[in-house]
Amino acid sequence: QQQVKQSPQSLIVQKGGISIINCAYENTAFDYFPWYQQFPGKGPALLIAIRPDVSEKKEGRFTISFNKSAKQFSLHIMDSQPGDSATYFCAPAPILQGAQKLVFGQGTRLTINP
Amino acid sequence: NAGVTQTPKFRILKIGQSMTLQCTQDMNHNYMYWYRQDPGMGLKLIYYSVGAGITDKGEVPNGYNVSRSTTEDFPLRLELAAPSQTSVYFCASNLQGAPETQYFGPGTRLLVL
Repeated sequence: QQQVKQSPQSLIVQKGGISIINCAYENTAFDYFPWYQQFPGKGPALLIAIRPDVSEKKEGRFTISFNKSAKQFSLHIMDSQPGDSATYFCAPAPILQGAQKLVFGQGTRLTINP
Repeated sequence: NAGVTQTPKFRILKIGQSMTLQCTQDMNHNYMYWYRQDPGMGLKLIYYSVGAGITDKGEVPNGYNVSRSTTEDFPLRLELAAPSQTSVYFCASNLQGAPETQYFGPGTRLLVL
């Protein structure tokens, strides 16, 4: 059973454009919704995260939009830069006694053309 | 702080051999995790620990064992390596409190032939 579906699998955006990646989940026990960024040969790094009590969170050029009823959340990257070229993962989790059992999507390979 | 460190960076094992992947964090984090990442896929949770002496299974625990004798260290043991265990293994940790950033190590690439 695939709990988390991420789309698209790959995305090419021109420099300065908007990159949008979507994540759909099934488990209603999820209450933490992060996006991770991974460069080749490196471990994932937290980019931005949201809790279910808010519908949107913005940090610089990065915005998470959250739709609890549709069980979806998305990552928007404004003014995309070549340095944003990486693989992005949504990884929702239930928070159980402080433990974050992240459930990763399949990943989206983002390429920003200069 | 060095953060989360993993050794070795790369290892080739023969089928049936055993090995231990080492993970150490110097951030005094209570929670530690092991994930595996197969090529072109997302990470899957193998085991996790909420503190010294306490471990629990994740989504894909078969073929692996863990122990947590100290706050800093969380080794992952592979017994009787199989080609299906060829993957990149990531260790991660986070501080107590919900939610705190989960920090990942650089990974160990394992090839089982």
